[in-house]
Amino acid sequence: EDQVTQSPEALRLQEGESSSLNCSYTVSGLRGLFWYRQDPGKGPEFLFTLYSAGEEKEKERLKATLTKKESFLHITAPKPEDSATYLCAAQTHYGGSQGNLIFGKGTKLSVKP
Amino acid sequence: EPEVTQTPSHQVTQMGQEVILRCVPISNHLYFYWYRQILGQKVEFLVSFYNNEISEKSEIFDDQFSVERPDGSNFTLKIRSTKLEDSAMYFCASRATSGGAEQFFGPGTRLTVL
Repeated sequence: EDQVTQSPEALRLQEGESSSLNCSYTVSGLRGLFWYRQDPGKGPEFLFTLYSAGEEKEKERLKATLTKKESFLHITAPKPEDSATYLCAAQTHYGGSQGNLIFGKGTKLSVKP
Repeated sequence: EPEVTQTPSHQVTQMGQEVILRCVPISNHLYFYWYRQILGQKVEFLVSFYNNEISEKSEIFDDQFSVERPDGSNFTLKIRSTKLEDSAMYFCASRATSGGAEQFFGPGTRLTVL
């Protein structure tokens, strides 16, 4: 069964304290690995897509990396406004699939000033 | 910047009633999706829609659910007879036909079934 697991469930950081969020996936054939940010009561906001092992993408204080089994979201010198739930989702190669996403439960990040 | 919009933001209904959730996808996108998120749980795929027909659906999307694109801009999810366990956030998403595979999500409709 295709599965996406994120850890930790919750992470509390001090402003400026860098850390990483983990997303491990078990899917039949990975088409793409997505990272989203979700604020309370809002829809997921697209951050990154990664397609192949070794790929990296950056946006401001965030960097996403991908291996054959997991992805990491590195947060460098976070600020309070980075507080949110970060969701990881896998898209598979199923024949005929229009690309539905399999989500993890997310990591709730809190950054204290 | 173009965005997916959803109405209403919050819908309260009685068990057994029909509800229609509405979405306006990004204008040049042709793949459409509905997902739901029960409070405290994962975002779950319900259905995908392309070229005026359902492409794929999950086990959750049973005969009580239907989708429709009634005109060139709206995409709707209908729940025929709501149950208590249908209470959740429902998200619409859309994707362009070419370029990246990214799906862009709307702000969601919170459905509360009493």
